[in-house]
Amino acid sequence: GESVGLHLPTLSVQEGDNSIINCAYSNSASDYFIWYKQESGKGPQFIIDIRSNMDKRQGQRVTVLLNKTVKHLSLQIAATQPGDSAVYFCAEMDTGANSKLTFGKGITLSVRP
Amino acid sequence: GAGVSQSPSNKVTEKGKDVELRCDPISGHTALYWYRQSLGQGLEFLIYFQGNSAPDKSGLPSDRFSAERTGGSVSTLTIQRTQQEDSAVYLCASSLGGAKETQYFGPGTRLLVL
Repeated sequence: GESVGLHLPTLSVQEGDNSIINCAYSNSASDYFIWYKQESGKGPQFIIDIRSNMDKRQGQRVTVLLNKTVKHLSLQIAATQPGDSAVYFCAEMDTGANSKLTFGKGITLSVRP
Repeated sequence: GAGVSQSPSNKVTEKGKDVELRCDPISGHTALYWYRQSLGQGLEFLIYFQGNSAPDKSGLPSDRFSAERTGGSVSTLTIQRTQQEDSAVYLCASSLGGAKETQYFGPGTRLLVL
């Protein structure tokens, strides 16, 4: 069946270091991928997305990498800050089939001061 | 403008009671989604509305769950005869409508069934 999962449930990083959050997906038909950040008590917040015709996309302090060969997605956060502490979800969509996002279970990023 | 809003923010109910959860999407967004998030879990798709099309109800876990979207704007998710396993955060999202349009989430309604 389709699944999107994260390799590690928690990640602890030192403030100022770079963070890398990994995600595996199993639906080879997925062509759209998104990273969301969810802070405690809030709804998920869009961070960055990438379409399957790209393998890298950069935003402000964040970079998403897509490796379709091994069905792997990663989120890189540069110079991690305390405000980056949150749960991060990857999500995937097969836009040819429907508009439903399939979410991974989430990974908690904890930033040490 | 304002983001997606949901009400109530918290709801405690007794097993067997019905509950209604409300979502106000971003103005102009034609697509509206409901998700459920259990403790420590990812988001589980429930239902999707797009314009005047028939909703995609494929994620609803049982016939106790239903949703409406009146006038293409506000949506109500109804859970009848609530069970303890229905306890979760119910999240609503809206988007401009295309499949690759960003979904913007509300803060959620935290439902606790005693």
